Amino acid sequence: NAGVTQTPKFQVLKTGQSMTLQCAQDMNHNSMYWYRQDPGMGLRLIYYSASEGTTDKGEVPNGYNVSRLNKREFSLRLESAAPSQTSVYFCASSELGGRQETQYFGPGTRLLVL
Amino acid sequence: AQSVTQLDSQVPVFEEAPVELRCNYSSSVSVYLFWYVQYPNQGLQLLLKYLSGSTLVKGINGFEAEFNKSQTSFHLRKPSVHISDTAEYFCAVRSNYGGSQGNLIFGKGTKLSVKP
Repeated sequence: NAGVTQTPKFQVLKTGQSMTLQCAQDMNHNSMYWYRQDPGMGLRLIYYSASEGTTDKGEVPNGYNVSRLNKREFSLRLESAAPSQTSVYFCASSELGGRQETQYFGPGTRLLVL
Repeated sequence: AQSVTQLDSQVPVFEEAPVELRCNYSSSVSVYLFWYVQYPNQGLQLLLKYLSGSTLVKGINGFEAEFNKSQTSFHLRKPSVHISDTAEYFCAVRSNYGGSQGNLIFGKGTKLSVKP
């Protein structure tokens, strides 16, 4: 099992450009999450998907959109990138989305917006 | 709403010494508590979690944590650290009240640096 995979690993964008971060999990999990990690800030939830076909906003959703393509895949889109979106983005999944469950994280995507 | 405070942003320690990473939380309802570890250039992985029952929780790699409800703390400890424990450690809290979804709230992290 590869677990949670993310592509790309690193990306440089210019302000105003768009891009999609891809995430896939092979653990047959129902719930998936997108976080951003900024220095000294910990991780903050951007969006989550409790199950296939549903998505909900997290703590910092502005400037992002998501798509739960199928049970395995959950993408994060930046329509018009801004320097404030420079961050490391982590995708995670959990089996059923229960509050007591462990979340399994991907290796992250480092995004630099110039 | 919940919040998490990790009192130390950096903790340097010598190899084979004991270490304690401190975590305090704030919540008006009962919570589940987690410690995650992030090795350099990797994603996070679970060290241990407290759900209910015994307040002393044992995790992977010789780590343990103690839930103290009266002090709203969940400090992480290891009696003897190794160079390989060098990483960033995140405490996280999630309320156990309500429906299945509820944000996992992370602290800002503590960087543990183990020196030979």
